[in-house]
Amino acid sequence: NAGVTQTPKFQVLKTGQSMTLQCAQDMNHEYMSWYRQDPGMGLRLIHYSVGAGITDQGEVPNGYNVSRSTTEDFPLRLLSAAPSQTSVYFCASSQGQGANFGEKLFFGSGTQLSVL
Amino acid sequence: GESVGLHLPTLSVQEGDNSIINCAYSNSASDYFIWYKQESGKGPQFIIDIRSNMDKRQGQRVTVLLNKTVKHLSLQIAATQPGDSAVYFCAENTVSSNTGKLIFGQGTTLQVKP
Repeated sequence: NAGVTQTPKFQVLKTGQSMTLQCAQDMNHEYMSWYRQDPGMGLRLIHYSVGAGITDQGEVPNGYNVSRSTTEDFPLRLLSAAPSQTSVYFCASSQGQGANFGEKLFFGSGTQLSVL
Repeated sequence: GESVGLHLPTLSVQEGDNSIINCAYSNSASDYFIWYKQESGKGPQFIIDIRSNMDKRQGQRVTVLLNKTVKHLSLQIAATQPGDSAVYFCAENTVSSNTGKLIFGQGTTLQVKP
């Protein structure tokens, strides 16, 4: 099993550009989520999904869109990149059955995004 | 609002000593807590978790203590090794609400001196 795979590892964007960060997991996990990590801020939840076709907002959803058309994939879209979105982005997944969503998250290796 | 925070940003310990990393949380409804280790350039790695119906849980060289009265969580690492050097995060969730929102604290950097 590859676990949680994120692509790309690094990305530089200009202000106003759009792009999609890819996330895939091969563990048949129901729960997937996106976090951003800024220095001194820890990890902040952007969006999450408890299953295919279901998504919800986290702490900092503005400027980001997600969709969950399959169990395996959970892409994060930046609609119009801004310098404030410069960060490291982590995708995570967990088994998440019943009331256990958000437990024992497995994280990808991250995408370092710079917006100029 | 909800917040999870750590008492100290950096902890420096001698190799072989025990380490204690502390975490405070403010949401009294939180019923699930988890510790992660993050090495430079990598994603967070699960260490240990605990539910609110427990006050102590042990793993391999690690122990998590939960004091719900004062809303405090700690991670104890026995016989700290150089490989333990990393940033440690606590996180909390209210799994009974089934929102899936795991909220992280800011992190404590553990430095192990040889």
